[in-house]
Order: sequence, then structure tokens, then C-alpha cells
Amino acid sequence: GAVVSQHPSWVICKSGTSVKIECRSLDFQATTMFWYRQFPKQSLMLMATSNEGSKATYEQGVEKDKFLINHASLTLSTLTVTSAHPEDSSFYICSARVSGRGNTGELFFGEGSRLTVL
Amino acid sequence: SQELEQSPQSLIVQEGKNLTINCTSSKTLYGLYWYKQKYGEGLIFLMMLQKGGEEKSHEKITAKLDEKKQQSSLHITASQPSHAGIYLCGADFSGNTGKLIFGQGTTLQVKP
Repeated sequence: GAVVSQHPSWVICKSGTSVKIECRSLDFQATTMFWYRQFPKQSLMLMATSNEGSKATYEQGVEKDKFLINHASLTLSTLTVTSAHPEDSSFYICSARVSGRGNTGELFFGEGSRLTVL
Repeated sequence: SQELEQSPQSLIVQEGKNLTINCTSSKTLYGLYWYKQKYGEGLIFLMMLQKGGEEKSHEKITAKLDEKKQQSSLHITASQPSHAGIYLCGADFSGNTGKLIFGQGTTLQVKP
């Protein structure tokens, strides 16, 4: 299947700093990517839809100024957690769908990025 | 209210036994996705169902979507320790956009 890669896998930062997480589609192009967060022993919650070349669409209750999303190319979306606080500590995971030729509708997820804010 | 309900929340089975996990939606969905996750890791794509009555199989795992497209089941035959993990169903309610709403997950343990 298609491969989606996230970096970093885990990051520890001090409260008040900003952290950037990358989501890359390695062997396909993705005009749309999705960002989720997952708290311990809970399911995934959709945060936002990342659109290549345009603004991201955020789910209700998600602060767009807090979680900055940039989708500058067909293979890369970034999530920046600005002025991170301990309550932002979570597992962040992205997904992407193959777009264009050969679109099977399957959605592939990255390995996730664990953020710990001290 | 939860749009997608998974049951059971957790399951412990003896190796070799069959098991079924259910995923029920409160409304008609456009697509239903099944994933497996090891705690703290990414999601492994298992199957995607889009048509009412559709059934797909891969190795010992079979997934079905009912005719009304509101309920799906995941069945594992002759379970093995390698099947252990968290199974998640995700539903696309928004017209094949790829935006998924997930169920709460089912944690499966397989005892050797």
C-alpha cells in the first residue's frame, strides 16, 4: 500500500515553544491530508483537513491559531503547535488519500508523532 | 452523542477462536474503513467498504457492510497472537471526502 511518513516520531518541548510536525506522502501525491489527535486509550479525533495550495479547514472546537497547518506541496503537510502547553501533549497522526490516477479511495495513515510538553 | 459505536470495547479470546467486532452508525455512511493499531503507533489499513451488502476478505479477516450502509462487522477466523491490537472503524459521512469519524476502538487480546 501507499506510504505516509511523519516526522518526528516523538518530541519533547518546553511549555511556550512551538513544534512542527511533518506529514509526507512518499510514493503518491495527495491534494488533501487530514490531521487527527489521539489521547491515551482513546480514539482518533479529526482536527482539520489540509488542502494543498489553500487554507486548511478546521473542525469545530479546534483553534486554528493554535494549530497551524500548511500544505505547500502535493506530498507535504505540516502541523505547527504554537506556544505549546502541557494540555497539548498528545499523539498526532495524519492521513492521506491517493489523488489523481489510480485513486482507489483508500486512506493511509502516518506512524504518528507523540508530543510531550513539559 | 457518538456517531459511530463500536462493540465490544475489549475482547480476550483464546488462540484459534473466531471473533466479531461490530461498528454501528447512527446514519447512512459513504464509506467504512477498518484499521488496526498497536498502542502508540500508526494505523494499518485493513479494508474499505463502500457498497451496501459489500463483503471483503484478506487472509483470515472478513469485513461486511450491511445493505443500509449503517452497520459493519469485522470477523477474524482462527485468531492468532499476531491479531492482537486495537481495531478501529472509521466512517466517511461527508460524501467520500476522506474525512473520517472513528469509533471508540476495540482492544483485542489473543491468549496463546
